[in-house]
Amino acid sequence: NAGVTQTPKFQVLKTGQSMTLQCAQDMNHEYMSWYRQDPGMGLRLIHYSVGAGITDQGEVPNGYNVSRSTTEDFPLRLLSAAPSQTSVYFCASSWGISWDEQYFGPGTRLTVT
Amino acid sequence: GQQLNQSPQSMFIQEGEDVSMNCTSSSIFNTWLWYKQDPGEGPVLLIALYKAGELTSNGRLTAQFGITRKDSFLNISASIPSDVGIYFCAGRSNTGKLIFGQGTTLQVKP
Repeated sequence: NAGVTQTPKFQVLKTGQSMTLQCAQDMNHEYMSWYRQDPGMGLRLIHYSVGAGITDQGEVPNGYNVSRSTTEDFPLRLLSAAPSQTSVYFCASSWGISWDEQYFGPGTRLTVT
Repeated sequence: GQQLNQSPQSMFIQEGEDVSMNCTSSSIFNTWLWYKQDPGEGPVLLIALYKAGELTSNGRLTAQFGITRKDSFLNISASIPSDVGIYFCAGRSNTGKLIFGQGTTLQVKP
C-alpha cells in the first residue's frame, strides 16, 4: 500500500492564481481531512469528509474548496491564492472521524508571492 | 473555540537526558493523543490516552492523561539523536474533531 500520497510536494503561486492540491489514499478509509501547518500554530483543520459525497468545514475553511467524489481522492482547491495561504498542507485519512490512528501524507509546501 | 497550550515551544538537550513536555486546555477532552513529526514528513501517532489518570508507555516514551481531563504530559527518557522532531499533542472533544497543540521542537545534541 502507498498509504496517503500528496502532490505536488512543493508549489509556488502568484497572488490570484488557482490550483488544486491532490490527496489520495489506498486504505479504503472513510474519513479524510486537510490541515494546514504554520509556525507556532500547530495543525489546523481546513475541511474534512466522512465519506464519498460528504464534506464539511473545519476550523479555517475560508479560501478553500473540497469535494469527495470517490473514497480514494480528496482534492483541496485554492480558487484565488493569497499570501496568507502560504503554509504546509497535510492530508490525513482514517477509518472514521473518531479513529485515533490518522495517517498523514508527506505534505505540500505552498508559497504564495 | 477550543485551544491547547503546549510547552515548551522548543528544547535543545544533550543526548541521554530525559525530556518532559505538556499540554493544557481550558476545555475537557475525551482523548489525548501525542504525535511526532520528523523533518519533511507528516505526523505519526505515538501514544493514545482514553481515561483520566491513564499512564501509557511506548518504549522510552511515557504519556499521561491528566486527572482533570484538561491536560496531558509526555516524557522521553534517555534521549537519542533520532528523537529530533516536532512533538504535537492533540485533544479529541465530544464532537470527534481533533484540536492540535502548537508543537514542541526537540533538538538533541550528540
